[in-house]
Amino acid sequence: AQSVAQPEDQVNVAEGNPLTVKCTYSVSGNPYLFWYVQYPNRGLQFLLKYITGDNLVKGSYGFEAEFNKSQTSFHLKKPSALVSDSALYFCAVRDALSGYSTLTFGKGTMLLVSP
Amino acid sequence: ETGVTQTPRHLVMGMTNKKSLKCEQHLGHNAMYWYKQSAKKPLELMFVYSLEERVENNSVPSRFSPECPNSSHLFLHLHTLQPEDSALYLCASSQDPPTGDRNTEAFFGQGTRLTVV
Repeated sequence: AQSVAQPEDQVNVAEGNPLTVKCTYSVSGNPYLFWYVQYPNRGLQFLLKYITGDNLVKGSYGFEAEFNKSQTSFHLKKPSALVSDSALYFCAVRDALSGYSTLTFGKGTMLLVSP
Repeated sequence: ETGVTQTPRHLVMGMTNKKSLKCEQHLGHNAMYWYKQSAKKPLELMFVYSLEERVENNSVPSRFSPECPNSSHLFLHLHTLQPEDSALYLCASSQDPPTGDRNTEAFFGQGTRLTVV
């Protein structure tokens, strides 16, 4: 069975500082990993993904994430946070080898960036 | 916009009403999903349709009835709901299986905020 853990309910960071939102996963085969962002009363927006290749992937709005196979982690990072980055962030995994599989989401981490 | 459109955006209904939520995707995907998002709870996968066949039903009460008439449209029919069913209902679509490294992610609609009174 697939699972995703986001150990922090909330991350607080000051504007201009680097941010990290943590994610670890468990999947039987090779993982496809994703980050999504959700603003209030909106759907989930795709930010970035790891499929294969370079362990550091870059996505929208200056976000990046690092895939670490040995630690089964896929932490989301940004060098300099903006107030507008404040939102709910979801990590998700699917099994690349399954002919059919659904995304498994973490419970979400609220990011609050203070001015 | 993500290519997945949900209507209505907001819905208030009484416990004896019947209403339907609609989802339409313009991405050429072959799988569609309904998720429920309640306050302070994780995203709950409700139903999955692949090639218009229901492939997953995660123990959802029968007062929620999905319908997938074709690969572009997905409905969620609601009847005799309870106040605890008030939530944000999200529709998503994806390509299953993905075509190589492309088309691996799911795309979500903006959601329908449902309030049951």
